[in-house]
Formats: sequence, C-alpha cells, structure tokens
Amino acid sequence: GGIITQTPKFLIGQEGQKLTLKCQQNFNHDTMYWYRQDSGKGLRLIYYSITENDLQKGDLSEGYDASREKKSSFSLTVTSAQKNEMAVFLCASSITPSSNERLFFGHGTKLSVL
Amino acid sequence: TQTVSQSDAHVTVFEGDSVELRCNYSYGGSIYLSWYIQHHGRGLQFLLKYYSGNPVVQGVNGFEAEFSKSDSSFHLRKASVHWSDSAVYFCAVSTSSGQKLVFGQGTILKVYL
Repeated sequence: GGIITQTPKFLIGQEGQKLTLKCQQNFNHDTMYWYRQDSGKGLRLIYYSITENDLQKGDLSEGYDASREKKSSFSLTVTSAQKNEMAVFLCASSITPSSNERLFFGHGTKLSVL
Repeated sequence: TQTVSQSDAHVTVFEGDSVELRCNYSYGGSIYLSWYIQHHGRGLQFLLKYYSGNPVVQGVNGFEAEFSKSDSSFHLRKASVHWSDSAVYFCAVSTSSGQKLVFGQGTILKVYL
C-alpha cells in the first residue's frame, strides 16, 4: 500500500505571510488535489493536478498558488495569510483524473494565523 | 452544478444500535455517489461508492448505502455500531461529465458505550 505524507502537520503563520504546504504520495497516482476543510462546511477544492506540471483551479483557488513539479509531489502556497484564519488543508490523490475514482487522503495540515 | 446536503450535523447513538446517516443530492444527469469517513485528526478514508446497478452497495466494516433516484438520496446505514465508528462522515458526489468530487458538510457520529 501507499501513503500520502503532508508536511508540516501544524503551521502557524502571521497575517500577510506567504506559507507553503507540501504533499508527497508514493502510490504513483496521476492526479493530486488540495482541499480546504473548515468546521461545518465540508471540503472545498482549491487546486488539482492531473499530471506532472499540470494545474487546474478548483472552487476556492483565489488566494492560493500550487505547484506540481514532480508526479509524486504537490505543494500549495497561501499567498497572503488572513488574520485569525484557521483551517485544515487536506491533500489527496487518485489513480486517474476520472470523476468516479476514489480519493486517498493525507492526514492534513492544520493552519492557524495569528 | 451538483450539490450535496447532509441534513444532520450530529447523530448520537449507543453501541449496538443501528444508525442511518442521510445524504441528499441535486443533479439531473449521471452521478457518482460515495461516502468517506474521517476519524479525529486524520484524513478521509473511502467507505463505498455507487454509480449504477444494485442500489444497495456494501462497504467496509459493515456499512452499506442505498441509492434512491426518486428521493435523490444516498443514505448510509449500519445495523450495529461500535464505539470505534465515532467519526465524521462525508457524502460526496461527482458527475460523469467530469466534475470533481463535491462534499457535503459532514455528519458527526458519536457512539456511546
């Protein structure tokens, strides 16, 4: 079996700071995703990538950048952290971009902005 | 655009009880439906999915879900819950036209001993 590793597990930032979250998968999956999870709001898709060097915007891409330089890794950048922002960012992967594929998730990065 | 709604934010039961977690969706075309479970501090794990065929699908750990086109629903059930089933459960939908997974708000299930 494979694993998705997200680093760091906890991230504390300052208002206006640029923050980068990293995700690695060893499933050899083509597609990777970044979701944001807010309490009581479910998961919202920020960016996804169907292959190396590909980027597709999700519903919540404003305020974020992403990078898929290798098949196994997908990073997300918060371009300017908002004061009192608190959320969990979940990375996921799937074998193909097909919409019926199951997703495999990492354990998340919990972001707090002071 | 498809939407998905989980009407119960919290469900509380005792160990050994049966439970049903509700999920309703809105979309006029072909749709994929799935359920995921999230234990505290962890990522989501896939439980089961439905696209076509038998409307009752079996998942891991005794979970099953039933698709109803007339009710636009995909409710998750378990006949006898265990305390370890305490978690957040997410219903998700995607479409055959390629729209990515859209998740419901989640239902927190608490199982008391």
